[in-house]
Amino acid sequence: GQNIDQPTEMTATEGAIVQINCTYQTSGFNGLFWYQQHAGEAPTFLSYNVLDGLEEKGRFSSFLSRSKGYSYLLLKELQMKDSASYLCAVRHLPPGAGSYQLTFGKGTKLSVIP
Amino acid sequence: DTGVSQDPRHKITKRGQNVTFRCDPISEHNRLYWYRQTLGQGPEFLTYFQNEAQLEKSRLLSDRFSAERPKGSFSTLEIQRTEQGDSAMYLCASSTPAGSPYEQYFGPGTRLTVT
Repeated sequence: GQNIDQPTEMTATEGAIVQINCTYQTSGFNGLFWYQQHAGEAPTFLSYNVLDGLEEKGRFSSFLSRSKGYSYLLLKELQMKDSASYLCAVRHLPPGAGSYQLTFGKGTKLSVIP
Repeated sequence: DTGVSQDPRHKITKRGQNVTFRCDPISEHNRLYWYRQTLGQGPEFLTYFQNEAQLEKSRLLSDRFSAERPKGSFSTLEIQRTEQGDSAMYLCASSTPAGSPYEQYFGPGTRLTVT
């Protein structure tokens, strides 16, 4: 089966940098997504990595190492509005399936404090 | 608003009743997904449509669950004989193969409470 691990909770200070890690074990890997989800709201897309390396998008960056089954999301210049859950999701082809699926981790609840 | 919409946003029902949820995807998106999310968990895949064809169903989806997308546009998810364990947020998402990078756009969800 698929296994995606990320820390349950993290706390960081406004203006600081925080790194949220994600490790995965999956078959038929075809990319890794990060989504942000505020309490009671739908997930919104943040980033996508399919090749090894760093993708930068404003204050957010995401890194992928396929050989290590590892990714991280880096948030810079933290703002209070960044308090949310951050979901790591792997796009993969499950055994016996005819199409790719997205499997999510449990999410990391980030609290930004003044 | 041209995003994914879901109706109703909240549903409270008694155990044993049937419920139906509706999802309207982004108009040019031919792919539609249903997920279930419980507190403290990430969304769990339930089923996937490409146009009107249901291509994938999760093993999580019991016989009490059925989904349709009759004209390849909106979709419905029905749960028959609801159980308390069905209480969750039901999320719909859509995507297009023309989009990059296969990003799925999520709707606001339908929160189901079974009493």
